[in-house]
Amino acid sequence: DQQVKQNSPSLSVQEGRISILNCDYTNSMFDYFLWYKKYPAEGPTFLISISSIKDKNEDGRFTVFLNKSAKHLSLHIVPSQPGDSAVYFCAASSIKAAGNKLTFGGGTRVLVKP
Amino acid sequence: DSGVTQTPKHLITATGQRVTLRCSPRSGDLSVYWYQQSLDQGLQFLIQYYNGEERAKGNILERFSAQQFPDLHSELNLSSLELGDSALYFCASSLDRNNSPLHFGNGTRLTVT
Repeated sequence: DQQVKQNSPSLSVQEGRISILNCDYTNSMFDYFLWYKKYPAEGPTFLISISSIKDKNEDGRFTVFLNKSAKHLSLHIVPSQPGDSAVYFCAASSIKAAGNKLTFGGGTRVLVKP
Repeated sequence: DSGVTQTPKHLITATGQRVTLRCSPRSGDLSVYWYQQSLDQGLQFLIQYYNGEERAKGNILERFSAQQFPDLHSELNLSSLELGDSALYFCASSLDRNNSPLHFGNGTRLTVT
C-alpha cells in the first residue's frame, strides 16, 4: 500500500521556467512533509519541509504548498536552473507514530534544459 | 556533505553470504535510520535506533539485523543473501525529535551475484 505517491515519474522544463512537482498521500495521520533532492551516486538531500499547521512554506527558489483536504502537496521551483536536474522525493511522517520514520514517494526525475 | 558517513561504498558478494554495512551519524544526532532503495523503487524504511535502542521497525526481513553502539555508530547486518537483496542501502541520522529532517549518507551499493 503506497501511502505517498508521486504520479509523474519525470518532468522536463526549460531553464528559467517554473517546475511543479506533485505528491499525494493517503494516510490522514501524516502531519509533516518534506522534499528531498537526489543526484546520482549521492544520498537524498533535504530541501524544504512543511508542517500540517501551514499551507505554504518558502525558502529561496523553493516553495512547498500543502492542501490537507485534498491530501496533496506540491513543490514549486522558480526559476529552474540546470543544476536542479535531479530526482525529487516527497516524504511524510506522523508525530503520533513511533519514531520519526519518513515514508517516501517513488520520486520524480526532473530535467532542466538550458 | 551531510555529515553522515557510510562504508563501504560498494560491496559485491555471493548468494548465501553475510555482510555488514557501517554508518556514522552526524555529530550530535542520536537517531540512526536505515533505508533500502531497490532498482526503480522508492526508499523503503527498514529500522530506526535512538541512543542504542530500537525505536521503530519497518519492512525489515528476519535475515537482516541492526544495532547502534555506545559511540552512536550503527551497523546493518544482512545474512543468507539473495539476489533480490541487491540494492542501495542508505543510512540517515536526525536530532531526536519528531518532525525533524533526516540527513542521509551517500549509501552502500550492494550487489549479490
